[in-house]
Amino acid sequence: AQTVTQSQPEMSVQEAETVTLSCTYDTSENNYYLFWYKQPPSRQMILVIRQEAYKQQNATENRFSVNFQKAAKSFSLKISDSQLGDTAMYFCAFMIWLNRDDKIIFGKGTRLHILP
Amino acid sequence: GAVVSQHPSRVICKSGTSVKIECRSLDFQATTMFWYRQFPKQSLMLMATSNEGSKATYEQGVEKDKFLINHASLTLSTLTVTSAHPEDSSFYICSAREPAGGQPQHFGDGTRLSIL
Repeated sequence: AQTVTQSQPEMSVQEAETVTLSCTYDTSENNYYLFWYKQPPSRQMILVIRQEAYKQQNATENRFSVNFQKAAKSFSLKISDSQLGDTAMYFCAFMIWLNRDDKIIFGKGTRLHILP
Repeated sequence: GAVVSQHPSRVICKSGTSVKIECRSLDFQATTMFWYRQFPKQSLMLMATSNEGSKATYEQGVEKDKFLINHASLTLSTLTVTSAHPEDSSFYICSAREPAGGQPQHFGDGTRLSIL
């Protein structure tokens, strides 16, 4: 069975600082996808970034980047130049590739506070 | 990008009422949709996987007679909470995935259900 672990329940950083959210996962599969979703107070689930397991290059989306370590089964999210609007719950998620009924396995989340 | 519309966003009703929540993919066909429940300050809990034209697959512990799911078309899935009671009060979120392999799930904005 696949599991996703986020070891930081809550974090706070000052605006403009860089913050890293950790995520580890466990799977015996070789082909899979990893995601980071953001859930602000509005509770809308927003896809932040995704990584294909077969790609060695770390995904980046503007201020958001990941450090994907496949052998270590680690998938951390780095937010650079953090902004007040980054305050949200962040969920790390895992999905097996090319399965019609594939499910996303979510971690328990990290609540991130960006302080002015 | 892909858009998923969920309606209604907020429901308040009396105990014993049945409540229907709709989830629509607006600009893509979704053969598979997912229904989640989220308790305050917790992660998303998958309730069931909805497949177009076939019966939904429910997760262990989810009562299929309480939470009726219908996926009659490629763009619409509905969740009906039958004879709702206060313990059914929660935040319900749907998601839909584009058919191509490895695509992320796109989420609706959620429905806050309050049973009095």
